[in-house]
Amino acid sequence: AQTVTQSQPEMSVQEAETVTLSCTYDTSESNYYLFWYKQPPSRQMILVIRQEAYKQQNATENRFSVNFQKAAKSFSLKISDSQLGDTAMYFCAFMKHGRQAGTALIFGKGTTLSVSS
Amino acid sequence: DSGVTQTPKHLITATGQRVTLRCSPRSGDLSVYWYQQSLDQGLQFLIQYYNGEERAKGNILERFSAQQFPDLHSELNLSSLELGDSALYFCASSTSRTGGSAGELFFGEGSRLTVL
Repeated sequence: AQTVTQSQPEMSVQEAETVTLSCTYDTSESNYYLFWYKQPPSRQMILVIRQEAYKQQNATENRFSVNFQKAAKSFSLKISDSQLGDTAMYFCAFMKHGRQAGTALIFGKGTTLSVSS
Repeated sequence: DSGVTQTPKHLITATGQRVTLRCSPRSGDLSVYWYQQSLDQGLQFLIQYYNGEERAKGNILERFSAQQFPDLHSELNLSSLELGDSALYFCASSTSRTGGSAGELFFGEGSRLTVL
């Protein structure tokens, strides 16, 4: 079974600074997706960034980028130029890829990020 | 706005009761997923339906059941409720059996269930 581990329950950062959230996962699959979702106080789950395991290039979405280390099974999220609106809980998630009869996102426990001015 | 609609947003009920949570997926999405989010268990996958058929089952209790109707909306039924069932229940949808075009799921705003 797949597991996702986020070892940082809480983190804080000042506005405009850079912060990195850690995530490790365990799987025997070779083809899968990894995601970071954001859950602000409004509780909506919002997709931040995704990475296909077969792609060596790290995904980037504006101020958000990942460091994907497949051999180490590590998938960290870097937030640059942090903004107050980045305050949220961040979840790392894993999904198998392929024609399996049903797949689902497996989530880590989350990291609460607080951005202060 | 993800396009996934969940009702009700809030629900308060008593132990032993039964409730139904409803989810309308994004237009065109065939897969519906249900998740439970509680403080101690985090986000737990409950069940997935694809085009009316059950596709995957996670940590869903026997007291819970779900179905997806021909119009693709889904309902999650929770019965014999216990205090520990208090949680935020999310519905998510995607275009395919295995997630969206790149695996992504689109989440509704959740239904907050409080069991007293």
